[in-house]
Amino acid sequence: SQQGEEDPQALSIQEGENATMNCSYKTSINNLQWYRQNSGRGLVHLILIRSNEREKHSGRLRVTLDTSKKSSSLLITASRAADTASYFCATVLREGGSEKLVFGKGMKLTVNP
Amino acid sequence: KAGVTQTPRYLIKTRGQQVTLSCSPISGHRSVSWYQQTPGQGLQFLFEYFSETQRNKGNFPGRFSGRQFSNSRSEMNVSTLELGDSALYLCASSLAVSLAGAKNIQYFGAGTRLSVL
Repeated sequence: SQQGEEDPQALSIQEGENATMNCSYKTSINNLQWYRQNSGRGLVHLILIRSNEREKHSGRLRVTLDTSKKSSSLLITASRAADTASYFCATVLREGGSEKLVFGKGMKLTVNP
Repeated sequence: KAGVTQTPRYLIKTRGQQVTLSCSPISGHRSVSWYQQTPGQGLQFLFEYFSETQRNKGNFPGRFSGRQFSNSRSEMNVSTLELGDSALYLCASSLAVSLAGAKNIQYFGAGTRLSVL
């Protein structure tokens, strides 16, 4: 089952531009995380935002969370070629007595030099 | 601190065989999770171990199993391999006592790419 869905699924921009990706989820959450994956490698944690936070910054990253709309956005400012990667949002889904970290399908960002 | 180490990095198996993948977590991390990543299904949660016990489980058949040792190292086993098991298998460790908590930041290994022929 998919808890998070990123939008758009792919984005191509020029270096220096900003990139925004959105994530929607279905159930109530304690927090939402964003991860980055370079081609065929492991994921790297970027930022975690708690359900009682509306906005969080980390370097060139800005994350917002709207729990009423069950959505989050990740903004990467002044993008660089090294930001080329797939980006995933992740939330915890409780199902049948189990908890599992569920990732969206990911958004592929290409930053052209 | 050393990161999460997964071995082997690449594997080629044939249908019907079984395979064991290994994961060494970051020192001090007691939670180890396994994920399967395919182009069609994306990243899917297999299971999570904490202090040698399977604490959480995804929706995979019983052919997928795992275990965790007292030093927190974990292994994942897939029996009777099928073509559809070809995937990147990722292991992640965390300090989390609960997956839902704010300390559940997952640190991923580079993955094992399994090809089933």
